[in-house]
Parts: sequence; C-alpha cells; structure tokens
Amino acid sequence: QVQLQESGPGLVKPSQTLSLTCTVSGGSISSGSYYWSWIRQPAGKGLEWIGRIYTSGSTNYNPSLKSRVTISVDTSKNQFSLKLSSVTAADTAVYYCARDLLRYYFDYWGQGTLVTVSS
Amino acid sequence: QSALTQPASVSGSPGQSITISCTGTSSDVGSYNLVSWYQQHPGKAPKLMIYEVSKRPSGVSNRFSGSKSGNTASLTISGLQAEDEADYYCCSYAGSSSVVFGGGTKLTVL
Repeated sequence: QVQLQESGPGLVKPSQTLSLTCTVSGGSISSGSYYWSWIRQPAGKGLEWIGRIYTSGSTNYNPSLKSRVTISVDTSKNQFSLKLSSVTAADTAVYYCARDLLRYYFDYWGQGTLVTVSS
Repeated sequence: QSALTQPASVSGSPGQSITISCTGTSSDVGSYNLVSWYQQHPGKAPKLMIYEVSKRPSGVSNRFSGSKSGNTASLTISGLQAEDEADYYCCSYAGSSSVVFGGGTKLTVL
C-alpha cells in the first residue's frame, strides 16, 4: 500500500520561499509509470493543481504558478519536493502531494500539511 | 485556464439519487475523456471516486457513476447514504500537460 507524507515548515514569511517534501513509502518512487503531483487547497476553498514531476525529472506546472514553482525529485530518498517562491498570504493553504497515473488523475494522496504565510 | 463550474451545493434524502454537474469548455472537459471525481470529508484528503469519466477504482461502491456529454461531466450517486455527505470535486485534463479542478460541491444528506 503506497503512502505519501508531506513535511516542511508550517509558517513562511511573505516574499520568502515555501519548501515542502513528500516522502513516498510502500513502493519505489521510480517503479511503474507515475507522475508525482502537488495540489493545494486554501481554507474553505477548492483544489488547485500546482504541478507534477516524473522520475526522469520531467515537469509540468500550472501556468498560473509556473514562474514561481519548482518541483524536484530525489529517487535515492524516495522523495519529491516543492518550492514556491515570493509567497504572499494568498499562498496560505493545505498542501497535498499525490500520485498521478499519467492520465491526470490522482489515486493516492498524502494527509496534507497546512502552510501559513504570515509575518 | 479557469476552474470548472460545479453547483455549490446539492442535497438528497437517504435512498435517493443525486447528480452533480461539472461544466468546462471545449478545451478541457469537451476535448478529453480524462475527467475524474474526488470525495472529500472534512479535514481529510480527497479520495478518487471516478476516473476517465466513468471508471471506478477498486473498492469504490457501484452506487457512484460518471458520465459526460459535450462540455459537461456528471457524477451520480444512487441509493444515498449518510456517509456520502462530503464535498465533491471534478477534475479534467486541460491540455498542455495541465489539470484543472472544479470549485467543489457540498453534498448534504437530509
């Protein structure tokens, strides 16, 4: 059973860079044909896809966030990571990592981690 | 890309059927059979309920079904149960290797 777990600071100051890591257990991040995605959800609002990465390092990003987002993968640690630069209060949200089965749907999700942008 | 349009809320009584719509455009829902649906209970991560318009993952009740017509996808839940009360989100491939979600629908079981 694949499990995903997000980790990282829960509080980030405005204009700084948000950094999160997703650790995958129960299987190798490199096995199978999967992308690994980040998705966020502001409190009381809907889901927003941020981007995804294949284990080869190939990435796709949401056009509205592309200029500020970097997703990377560390196959030796079975992890992938998110960096979002120049954050503002609008970036405050629960951030989820999820497995993407190449066909743009997400079958396994992490529990989510709340990141608050505030000084 | 704009968010897909879902009704803010729907409701139904136990045993009844309800349908949640998800309206996109010819650039997303209308062009690809890559619509998925997610159920989210308060404080929990979303759960995949339907993928590729109408396919059910293993373990998901056959009371859940999906369909699509033109630019609108639909999720139907038959035989409503109290445990179905949750938020539901649709999702579609939007071209250029990107994904767009709907705004979410709150289902209340009366």
